[in-house]
Amino acid sequence: GAVVSQHPSWVICKSGTSVKIECRSLDFQATTMFWYRQFPKQSLMLMATSNEGSKATYEQGVEKDKFLINHASLTLSTLTVTSAHPEDSSFYICSATDWTGLNYGYTFGSGTRLTVV
Amino acid sequence: AQSVSQHNHHVILSEAASLELGCNYSYGGTVNLFWYVQYPGQHLQLLLKYFSGDPLVKGIKGFEAEFIKSKFSFNLRKPSVQWSDTAEYFCAVTDYNNNDMRFGAGTRLTVKP
Repeated sequence: GAVVSQHPSWVICKSGTSVKIECRSLDFQATTMFWYRQFPKQSLMLMATSNEGSKATYEQGVEKDKFLINHASLTLSTLTVTSAHPEDSSFYICSATDWTGLNYGYTFGSGTRLTVV
Repeated sequence: AQSVSQHNHHVILSEAASLELGCNYSYGGTVNLFWYVQYPGQHLQLLLKYFSGDPLVKGIKGFEAEFIKSKFSFNLRKPSVQWSDTAEYFCAVTDYNNNDMRFGAGTRLTVKP
């Protein structure tokens, strides 16, 4: 089945530094990838939608200059948290869609736990 | 945009009890509906999905859900839960023409052995 690999699974960084999270579709071409943020014991909140070769579409309230998203190929999207602060500490999850006729679905990565100290 | 509400935040059941988790969505058009499960420390896994056709959808692990269009609902059911069903359950919806998926707040299910 479709597999999405997310790396790293966890990262600790110092306040003010930048962190890059990668999301790869391993066995299908992901025309669209999504980035979510999940706070403890809360639901997933959509941050942005990225289509390959296009600029990402950010949800209201999400700072595009802080959360840089690149989707340069059909198998890779990256989320860079720039100038990270402790309040950016969260669980970040990507998902990718495989639009193959009526069999499309959403496959999720295993998530990245970011801790900013 | 579409939105999803899950009524139960935390459900505690004994093994073999029946389960029903509520999910209502808000959107005027055609939607696709999903239930995901997240076991502790693991990523989201798809339980079942509804795109069209038979409103009673069978999923993995004995779960099923019924789409009731008039009630904007997509409740998840399982006749007899097991201790291993302890997890967080998320209902999600997409606009038929849209790509983005919106999640409900989630329901934590605890099954006592």
